Amino acid sequence: GAVVSQHPSRVICKSGTSVKIECRSLDFQATTMFWYRQFPKQSLMLMATSNEGSKATYEQGVEKDKFLINHASLTLSTLTVTSAHPEDSSFYICSARGPGTSAGELFFGEGSRLTVL
Amino acid sequence: AQTVTQSQPEMSVQEAETVTLSCTYDTSESDYYLFWYKQPPSRQMILVIRQEAYKQQNATENRFSVNFQKAAKSFSLKISDSQLGDAAMYFCASVNSGNTPLVFGKGTRLSVIA
Repeated sequence: GAVVSQHPSRVICKSGTSVKIECRSLDFQATTMFWYRQFPKQSLMLMATSNEGSKATYEQGVEKDKFLINHASLTLSTLTVTSAHPEDSSFYICSARGPGTSAGELFFGEGSRLTVL
Repeated sequence: AQTVTQSQPEMSVQEAETVTLSCTYDTSESDYYLFWYKQPPSRQMILVIRQEAYKQQNATENRFSVNFQKAAKSFSLKISDSQLGDAAMYFCASVNSGNTPLVFGKGTRLSVIA
């Protein structure tokens, strides 16, 4: 199947700093990537849809100025958590649909665990 | 809007036995797909099985099979000959056709007892 890689897998930062998480499609081009957030023992909640060459589409309740998404190329989308606070601590997962996939499944990155002190 | 409901927060099964995880969904679309994903402690999302709504035949993948009841909007997962490595969170998910995101249920934590 298609491979999606996410980096870093773990990051710890101080409150008030910004953190960038990268999501790459390694063996295919992804015009669209999806960013999810997962709190402990909870399900995956869609944050935003990242579109190559255009603005991301954010879900209701997600602050676009807090969670900056850039999809500058067909293989890379980045999520920047700006002025991070402890409540932003969470597990962030990116995903993309593989090339020519007709069955609709998403391939997921390994996830990034963000801890804000 | 799509919704996916998993009513079993936790389930347990004896090793080598069979367990069924429940999932119901709601969608107004006629063309959609359903999935079961496994999330082990590593938190990597792993596709277990997929079902296209237009297919009447239930999908199977080795020890994993589904009972897809389209009229009832039910999509349960059966795991046969359960193994210790099957212990994980299992998420049911749906998506409409097109390049749209998956909608997930709340998940079922499966424990396998040796």
